[in-house]
Amino acid sequence: DAEITQSPRHKITETGRQVTLACHQTWNHNNMFWYRQDLGHGLRLIHYSYGVQDTNKGEVSDGYSVSRSNTEDLPLTLESAASSQTSVYFCASSEMVGSPLHFGNGTRLTVT
Amino acid sequence: GENVEQHPSTLSVQEGDSAVIKCTYSDSASNYFPWYKQELGKGPQLIIDIRSNVGEKKDQRIAVTLNKTAKHFSLHITETQPEDSAVYFCAATPYSGGGADGLTFGKGTHLIIQP
Repeated sequence: DAEITQSPRHKITETGRQVTLACHQTWNHNNMFWYRQDLGHGLRLIHYSYGVQDTNKGEVSDGYSVSRSNTEDLPLTLESAASSQTSVYFCASSEMVGSPLHFGNGTRLTVT
Repeated sequence: GENVEQHPSTLSVQEGDSAVIKCTYSDSASNYFPWYKQELGKGPQLIIDIRSNVGEKKDQRIAVTLNKTAKHFSLHITETQPEDSAVYFCAATPYSGGGADGLTFGKGTHLIIQP
């Protein structure tokens, strides 16, 4: 079955370090997204991509970057981790604009 | 931009009773309204969605209603079961295709089913 996997599931890092969270989908979806989930804020969009070499900023993109070199992967990089970036991060994909999102199981990131 | 308010933040119901979660949105151009269920340790999963050209949609014990005039939509779960316990999110988007770049989520409702 097609799926979307995130790694690692848990990560602890120190302030100022660069961190990359992986997202890999086997749906062959063009659209991929990164969200963060925080208590009291729900899900907020960080970055998204509608295809290879395409990336766009979401609502809370400061301090994050993504790159899309193939259809399957959209890694999320925190250039210099900050305590405010402690959160649960979810990757999602969709077949096309207007179709449902498929979410991964998340990465819990703690920045100390 | 779009603003989605979701109530209540926590809802506790007896097993077998009905549960209703309500959301309001601000952008009258919004035309796609999905609901997601998130179980502990997992990502959200779409359970039902509705588009603005219909007022109600049902799928077994789950139904969603939409009132475009009042700009609110609701999730109804009947005959609740323990496996319904989860966090539920509503969302809305004004984009004609429902693209996720326009998808705004509510803050979630923690539904607790009491045995």
